[in-house]
Amino acid sequence: AQSVTQLDSQVPVFEEAPVELRCNYSSSVSVYLFWYVQYPNQGLQLLLKYLSGSTLVESINGFEAEFNKSQTSFHLRKPSVHISDTAEYFCAVSRNTGGFKTIFGAGTRLFVKA
Amino acid sequence: DTGVSQNPRHKITKRGQNVTFRCDPISEHNRLYWYRQTLGQGPEFLTYFQNEAQLEKSRLLSDRFSAERPKGSFSTLEIQRTEQGDSAMYLCASSPEPSNGYTFGSGTRLTVV
Repeated sequence: AQSVTQLDSQVPVFEEAPVELRCNYSSSVSVYLFWYVQYPNQGLQLLLKYLSGSTLVESINGFEAEFNKSQTSFHLRKPSVHISDTAEYFCAVSRNTGGFKTIFGAGTRLFVKA
Repeated sequence: DTGVSQNPRHKITKRGQNVTFRCDPISEHNRLYWYRQTLGQGPEFLTYFQNEAQLEKSRLLSDRFSAERPKGSFSTLEIQRTEQGDSAMYLCASSPEPSNGYTFGSGTRLTVV
């Protein structure tokens, strides 16, 4: 079975500062990894994903995540955050063969302050 | 592409009543998922369809919960004899294949009083 641990429930940060949202996963098989974002009063949206190949993946709005197999981590980073990045971020994992349900972490609330 | 549509958006029901939610996925997506989310938690897997076949159901799901996807298009989730602990946001998502990730609907918020 797979599991996901998001190490911080809330991350407050000032605008234009860098941020890292930490995610560790557990799985005995190869996986796909995802980050989803939920802006206030909106539904969940896919932010970025790791399937295979290059361990660094990027989103269109400046976020990036790095897959680290040895540390079973998939941390999300942004070098300079904006007020509009305030949202809840969910790390998620699914096995890449067989059953394809996705397991979500409990979420990290990113709060960007002016 | 109109996205994933869920109805109703909100449902308030008395304990013991039955409720049914509907999900219309993106038409090209053959995979459909139901999740439940409570405050401060991530989405919790309930069940998964590939076309009309229900391929997986969470062991956490009691017999009061049932889901169908009769023609491989829309899906319904029914909760019988609702309990206060069933109060949550019920999310539907669809996907063409696992590597694409999910497209979520806006959810149905259930309140059991």
